[in-house]
Amino acid sequence: RKEVEQDPGPFNVPEGATVAFNCTYSNSASQSFFWYRQDCRKEPKLLMSVYSSGNEDGRFTAQLNRASQYISLLIRDSKLSDSATYLCVVNQAGTALIFGKGTTLSVSS
Amino acid sequence: NAGVTQTPKFQVLKTGQSMTLQCAQDMNHEYMSWYRQDPGMGLRLIHYSVGAGITDQGEVPNGYNVSRSTTEDFPLRLLSAAPSQTSVYFCASSLTYPGNTIYFGEGSWLTVV
Repeated sequence: RKEVEQDPGPFNVPEGATVAFNCTYSNSASQSFFWYRQDCRKEPKLLMSVYSSGNEDGRFTAQLNRASQYISLLIRDSKLSDSATYLCVVNQAGTALIFGKGTTLSVSS
Repeated sequence: NAGVTQTPKFQVLKTGQSMTLQCAQDMNHEYMSWYRQDPGMGLRLIHYSVGAGITDQGEVPNGYNVSRSTTEDFPLRLLSAAPSQTSVYFCASSLTYPGNTIYFGEGSWLTVV
């Protein structure tokens, strides 16, 4: 079983749509969780951390379910500029960050 | 704001050649790492360092060497390039290990023919 799994997509949505990505992780000892964004032929950049209580940053909402070992990212009112690959990232104590393979989002007008 | 700087951005190597990918950060970060990214494989950790003089292997270390003589620099050496090492390489750093926010360089596109 892969340590961090994501649906690769692509998710093709119109502008203004709401889209949700899910991610599952295999190690129950994982301690920190993040979503990174990667544009085509660019480096990944931190989008937001994911906290147990859930957190929101503008149109983006991240949630964590430790019991089920999954993380979600919700994007509301999608913009063309949201088109990118979204990477689920898990940090286990004492190890490096583990990256999912990413979910590709394409927003069209 | 330089952040994490990688060179070269593009490189073509012949099988068997050696080369060094350079990485430097100006944020006084203790933790530095090298990843490779291949289609369908995601980012995979090659080597990492938790401070000057300390390095360790990641998930895919074979064929690569690293050293960390200073806090700022973390070069990645390909000893004898193979076509399987054709990939995009990202250097990254964070303030602490394992670190919350990790900052990536812009990437190095390497082709081995």
